[in-house]
Amino acid sequence: GQNIDQPTEMTATEGAIVQINCTYQTSGFNGLFWYQQHAGEAPTFLSYNVLDGLEEKGRFSSFLSRSKGYSYLLLKELQMKDSASYLCAVRAGYSTLTFGKGTMLLVSP
Amino acid sequence: DTGVSQDPRHKITKRGQNVTFRCDPISEHNRLYWYRQTLGQGPEFLTYFQNEAQLEKSRLLSDRFSAERPKGSFSTLEIQRTEQGDSAMYLCASSNRGQETQYFGPGTRLLVL
Repeated sequence: GQNIDQPTEMTATEGAIVQINCTYQTSGFNGLFWYQQHAGEAPTFLSYNVLDGLEEKGRFSSFLSRSKGYSYLLLKELQMKDSASYLCAVRAGYSTLTFGKGTMLLVSP
Repeated sequence: DTGVSQDPRHKITKRGQNVTFRCDPISEHNRLYWYRQTLGQGPEFLTYFQNEAQLEKSRLLSDRFSAERPKGSFSTLEIQRTEQGDSAMYLCASSNRGQETQYFGPGTRLLVL
């Protein structure tokens, strides 16, 4: 089976930097994804890591350590619109994703 | 490219009724996935198609649930004899073989009274 852990909630201030951690246990690891989900909407893709290291995409970066079963999503220059749930998902094999419960991020002025 | 679409967006039904949802994937995507999401949880995998073949089903998918993708394009998910516990957001996603990312549709929100 697979187990994915991420914090339930985080708060941060507009303009700040926030790091959302995700730890996982799985066999046959084949990639880790981060999705953003606003309330009542579908998840939207943010990033994908399959090799160790940092992937940067604008204000968002994602890091993976396969040996530690650990990833983080880094959000810089936070904006109010970044208030959302952030979902960590792991793929084992070549098909389906297993999602964590999501981290609800609240950005305050 | 219009993205993944789902219909209906909302469905209210009475316990014991049957419901059917439709998903139209991104046109060139050959893989299609169904997930279910309840409040405060991440999406849970239900089933997966590659073209018209249903390759994987979750243990969550009871015999009341059936999914089809008859021509390898759109897919339907049917729930028979709905129960209150079936109330959830049903999400469809698609991807293309060789590309890793799954793209989600807007979901169908089901409420069983």
